[in-house]
Amino acid sequence: GDSVTQTEGQVALSEEDFLTIHCNYSASGYPALFWYVQYPGEGPQFLFRASRDKEKGSSRGFEATYNKETTSFHLQKASVQESDSAVYYCALGYSNTDKVVFGTGTRLQVSP
Amino acid sequence: GPKVLQIPSHQIIDMGQMVTLNCDPVSNHLYFYWYKQILGQQMEFLVNFYNGKVMEKSKLFKDQFSVERPDGSYFTLKIQPTALEDSAVYFCASSLGRGGNTLYFGEGSRLIVV
Repeated sequence: GDSVTQTEGQVALSEEDFLTIHCNYSASGYPALFWYVQYPGEGPQFLFRASRDKEKGSSRGFEATYNKETTSFHLQKASVQESDSAVYYCALGYSNTDKVVFGTGTRLQVSP
Repeated sequence: GPKVLQIPSHQIIDMGQMVTLNCDPVSNHLYFYWYKQILGQQMEFLVNFYNGKVMEKSKLFKDQFSVERPDGSYFTLKIQPTALEDSAVYFCASSLGRGGNTLYFGEGSRLIVV
């Protein structure tokens, strides 16, 4: 079945560091890819999505590029802030099915 | 952005009792989801619902669980009877279309079974 793999369970950075959170997927078709962010005590929030190969999604300084060849959608940010501390989820979904598959999440901790 | 409201925000309940978690989805959304998150762990899919029917459910969606949305009101998750392992935060989500669409989540309902 389809799956999403986030290799880093936790990432610890200092403010202004460069962030990469890896996301790889395994899909039988051509899914849309998403990043969601969950702040402490809240529900996940949509960050951005990409629907086709080489499309870049971005929001709030975060970005990721859909790469069909490497089946990846890695999240990056050039300069993180303490307020970016949260759990980040990569996900995939298809327009012709109801299921959305989430990765296991990556907890980002940014120190001042 | 669009808001999903969940009621209650938290509830403590004795094991074996029934609990109903309520979700008021985004007004024009058609697809509804429940996810379960045990403290500090990943979010896990329970069930999705469309047009009055369960479309897909996971192994976590035990026989004691049921969902419904009577007459376009709240989308509810009922657990009867509850067990200790049901203690978790339950997130409701809704979307306008199928899986390629954005999910909008509520703030969660924290359930503690004692």
